[in-house]
Amino acid sequence: EVQLVESGGGLVQPGGSLRLSCAASGFTFSHYWMSWVRQAPGKGLEWVANIKPDGSEKYYVDSVKGRFTISRDNAKNSLYLQMDGLRADDTAVYYCLTMIWGAPFGYWGQGTLVTVSS
Amino acid sequence: DVVMTQSPLSLPVTLGQPASISCRSSQSLVHSDGNTYLNWFQQRPGQSPRRLIYKVSNRDSGVPDRFSGSGSGTDFTLKISRVEAEDVGVYYCMQRTHWPWTFGQGTKVEIK
Repeated sequence: EVQLVESGGGLVQPGGSLRLSCAASGFTFSHYWMSWVRQAPGKGLEWVANIKPDGSEKYYVDSVKGRFTISRDNAKNSLYLQMDGLRADDTAVYYCLTMIWGAPFGYWGQGTLVTVSS
Repeated sequence: DVVMTQSPLSLPVTLGQPASISCRSSQSLVHSDGNTYLNWFQQRPGQSPRRLIYKVSNRDSGVPDRFSGSGSGTDFTLKISRVEAEDVGVYYCMQRTHWPWTFGQGTKVEIK
């Protein structure tokens, strides 16, 4: 059974940092692109970042470029999102996910809440 | 960025009746590889999203056949042939043809 379990969310002050983790199991993690998507409270979905299976390519939405870093450790079946320079509008539930865009394969974690507030 | 516009934003439906959600993109979603990467996601209350449809009209594993997707270019539709109670939630269209990948605003489906 595929599982994606996020952790690391919490309350942080504006300008602070947080590192999210996502533990993957039930599939060959090193073969798949991984992503982070976020959802502000009561709002819609925003795609945040993608990373290639070998970590050699990374893509970010403009609103987090230069502040967030996506990374992975294939030996540990883990995905990460390092978030620096956090702002109030980064407050959201952050989901870890993997998806194949041309085949029926797609899984999301349960999400971890990040709250940026003083 | 590609803007995805859904309508309606709220959809009250009667159990057993059909429902339809429209999604329009600000640019063609035909990828350079020839595929159209338009997806539909469902988010039930209190749950993570899950994908229902990929590449316009292909159902994901375990998705009931009452869900169908259609469309081309910039105009797409999700149809539920007979709405059931478990279909309550918010539905999002999403494109992964152009980076950054973008979602529609969401359509809230509720039972009348």
